[in-house]
Amino acid sequence: NAGVTQTPKFQVLKTGQSMTLQCAQDMNHNSMYWYRQDPGMGLRLIYYSASEGTTDKGEVPNGYNVSRLNKREFSLRLESAAPSQTSVYFCASTRDGNTEAFFGQGTRLTVV
Amino acid sequence: QKEVEQNSGPLSVPEGAIASLNCTYSDRGSQSFFWYRQYSGKSPELIMFIYSNGDKEDGRFTAQLNKASQYVSLLIRDSQPSDSATYLCAVKKGNNFNKFYFGSGTKLNVKP
Repeated sequence: NAGVTQTPKFQVLKTGQSMTLQCAQDMNHNSMYWYRQDPGMGLRLIYYSASEGTTDKGEVPNGYNVSRLNKREFSLRLESAAPSQTSVYFCASTRDGNTEAFFGQGTRLTVV
Repeated sequence: QKEVEQNSGPLSVPEGAIASLNCTYSDRGSQSFFWYRQYSGKSPELIMFIYSNGDKEDGRFTAQLNKASQYVSLLIRDSQPSDSATYLCAVKKGNNFNKFYFGSGTKLNVKP
């Protein structure tokens, strides 16, 4: 029973490099989310996908793009990484809009 | 103004005591309220959710909601050292159930 799976768990990037964070859920959930967590800032929503084929901006979308590849998978792309994007990134999913979120184990990203 | 406000703590309580964690939110249209626990280096996990005014109990945990005061709290009875973690309050607004807004979390230390 995997739940929400994120890859990779750790990543170090140089400024200007690009990368894609992968997320997959096996719970047949409709909605998926990407958050970043910084010390003292709590979880901030980057992008979300209410259903397959749709994506919307959250609180802090600048510098990121997303793709809802299918119902299971929701990826987050950094086109040109900056040190300000050093953070822990969490993917989450919900069955529908008004239910609890299930989180992946997180990706710790460092941009140098 | 932040959507969700929490005291960052740390809140220290002795083992066996009641821990009281508080959260305020800014939007009166908010309808769903969640408490998550996050151990250091781990992902958030749901403790409780509450939709209606009043109290909701689940084992040692009680969530309290007062919509008039825009206030949500979590009481932990018979606190254990294993309860030591950061507690995140999350709110969903009535006009968009797909957006969770998280507080920055309160760190709880339960001393043996």
